[in-house]
Amino acid sequence: GIQVEQSPPDLILQEGANSTLRCNFSDSVNNLQWFHQNPWGQLINLFYIPSGTKQNGRLSATTVATERYSLLYISSSQTTDSGVYFCAVKLMDSNYQLIWGAGTKLIIKP
Amino acid sequence: EAGVVQSPRYKIIEKKQPVAFWCNPISGHNTLYWYRQNLGQGPELLIRYENEEAVDDSQLPKDRFSAERLKGVDSTLKIQPAELGDSAVYLCASSPYNTEAFFGQGTRLTVV
Repeated sequence: GIQVEQSPPDLILQEGANSTLRCNFSDSVNNLQWFHQNPWGQLINLFYIPSGTKQNGRLSATTVATERYSLLYISSSQTTDSGVYFCAVKLMDSNYQLIWGAGTKLIIKP
Repeated sequence: EAGVVQSPRYKIIEKKQPVAFWCNPISGHNTLYWYRQNLGQGPELLIRYENEEAVDDSQLPKDRFSAERLKGVDSTLKIQPAELGDSAVYLCASSPYNTEAFFGQGTRLTVV
């Protein structure tokens, strides 16, 4: 089955730093989402980005579908950015199930 | 616009007892999902509904888990009887025609 790999698994940064999170997938997809799970467990939609580039404030994402990866950029990190970032994809010919990566745990220190 | 609403937020029960979770999806979203998330892992799909029809329940442990989505809106997930290994966060999500999924706050279940 499809493999979704996220890197790095853990990341510790000082407030104000920038970071890049990566999601690699092993097959063609027609849906890719980035989520932030905050320390209270809430899964928050960041981007719905099967291809191309999107920006929302300090966050931006780029998906290169032909090369099977997506990147999430966080600039000027704040402590509220702490949590786990998940990438989830759907295959083009699947039963529409989201396949999840293992997540990147991000800790922003004040 | 209100997001996906789940209740209760927390539940502690003794093993062998029944438990039920409720979900109200975003208005107009015809696709509804129930997921289970164990600590340190990504969510695992239990069941997906398109309107009132369960179109994917292959990962639902049917001996003890059941779900319904009457009238294609609200949904209930039930466990009877609960086991210690059922302790997890149960997440409900909805999407318009199985596209971008939006999640509720989840129900944290502890079975003692």
